[in-house]
Amino acid sequence: EMQLLESGGGLVQPGGSLRLSCAASGFTFNTFAMSWVRQAPGKGLEWVSAVSGRGDTTYYVDSVRGRFTISRDNSKNTLYLQMTSLRAEDTAVYFCAKFRGYSLKDFHFWGQGTRVTVSS
Amino acid sequence: DIQMTQSPPALSASVGDRVSITCQASEDVQNYLNWYHQRPGKAPKLLIYDASNLEKGVPSRFSGSGSGTDFTFTITSLQPEDLGTFYCQQYSGLPLTFGQGTTLDLK
Repeated sequence: EMQLLESGGGLVQPGGSLRLSCAASGFTFNTFAMSWVRQAPGKGLEWVSAVSGRGDTTYYVDSVRGRFTISRDNSKNTLYLQMTSLRAEDTAVYFCAKFRGYSLKDFHFWGQGTRVTVSS
Repeated sequence: DIQMTQSPPALSASVGDRVSITCQASEDVQNYLNWYHQRPGKAPKLLIYDASNLEKGVPSRFSGSGSGTDFTFTITSLQPEDLGTFYCQQYSGLPLTFGQGTTLDLK
């Protein structure tokens, strides 16, 4: 059974940093592109970042490029999102999501999310 | 960026009703369009991929159609577990973008 379990969320001050993790199981992790999608309180879904199966290609929405870094450790079946220079508008539930294959198409399976709150 | 506009933003319907939601893209996305359902407090779930393909295990009362800029998502006979928010998403270009959502509640 596929599972994605996010962790690392919490309360952080503006300008601070946080690293999210997503532990994957139940599928061959290194053959699938992975992504982070966020949802601000009461708002819709926003794609944040994605990474290829081998981890050598990364993609970002403009609002986080240069502040967030996506990475993966295929030996540990884990996806990461390093977030720096955090802003109030980064407050959201962050979902880890698996693509159907190596391409960035449909978010085939989702974790339950981890909440990030940026506030002083 | 490709903008996705869903209509209506919200609707109320009764069990057994036929419900349709539309999604319009700001430019041609071919059939690179997916639909998701999110129940309150839960993660989204993929229902339809490539505009009209039913994801494995998803009930056949859900369907999708369209191509280019105009798409429709339909529930043929609404069930109580269908409440929540439905989103379309395009993957024709980066950034990947979602519609703003259509929230469905039961009368």
